[in-house]
Amino acid sequence: ETGVTQTPRHLVMGMTNKKSLKCEQHLGHNAMYWYKQSAKKPLELMFVYSLEERVENNSVPSRFSPECPNSSHLFLHLHTLQPEDSALYLCASSQDSGPYNEQFFGPGTRLTVL
Amino acid sequence: GEDVEQSLFLSVREGDSSVINCTYTDSSSTYLYWYKQEPGAGLQLLTYIFSNMDMKQDQRLTVLLNKKDKHLSLRIADTQTGDSAIYFCAENARYNTDKLIFGTGTRLQVFP
Repeated sequence: ETGVTQTPRHLVMGMTNKKSLKCEQHLGHNAMYWYKQSAKKPLELMFVYSLEERVENNSVPSRFSPECPNSSHLFLHLHTLQPEDSALYLCASSQDSGPYNEQFFGPGTRLTVL
Repeated sequence: GEDVEQSLFLSVREGDSSVINCTYTDSSSTYLYWYKQEPGAGLQLLTYIFSNMDMKQDQRLTVLLNKKDKHLSLRIADTQTGDSAIYFCAENARYNTDKLIFGTGTRLQVFP
């Protein structure tokens, strides 16, 4: 257990559905991240939040909408997704942002878009 | 642009040493990292090396950094079946040290 939990662990949704992924960290960290992991592709950083403010948005389509209501919780709201969005979505947190910054990862949500 | 490359697969016999290689493009990276991902789990930081070091050893793990060739390697001595996992190399992005650039990951399979 890394102290970062994600729910649900698996999600199957249609292209017209709206769903949300949830991440919670119990480590007292100030920064949280969303990554997308697709087969045979590098891990892609999607969003970074530091002290509940978005500091990085890596050209992610607007059908992905993050929300960070407090430093312990991070959501990824999904709507009108495409089949190519099927992937493992990983959440991570770190104490602070900066050059050395161990990120602790959750187990991920396996998303399948039909 | 920033790029981190790794081979996709490595297969070794139990008890042998494993060497996982990584090349990166950003010579200004401050830290370079190795993460491990076991089946069904998130990534876990294994070790890291500061860019002014050539080598770092931590029990069975040895990290070698060749800055001239922009080459990073992870050696696992006496590889065990529990070491079977995907290993990711990562570097800090040039203009944003909050951002880690990951490789594709190397799937290590250890057989008896």
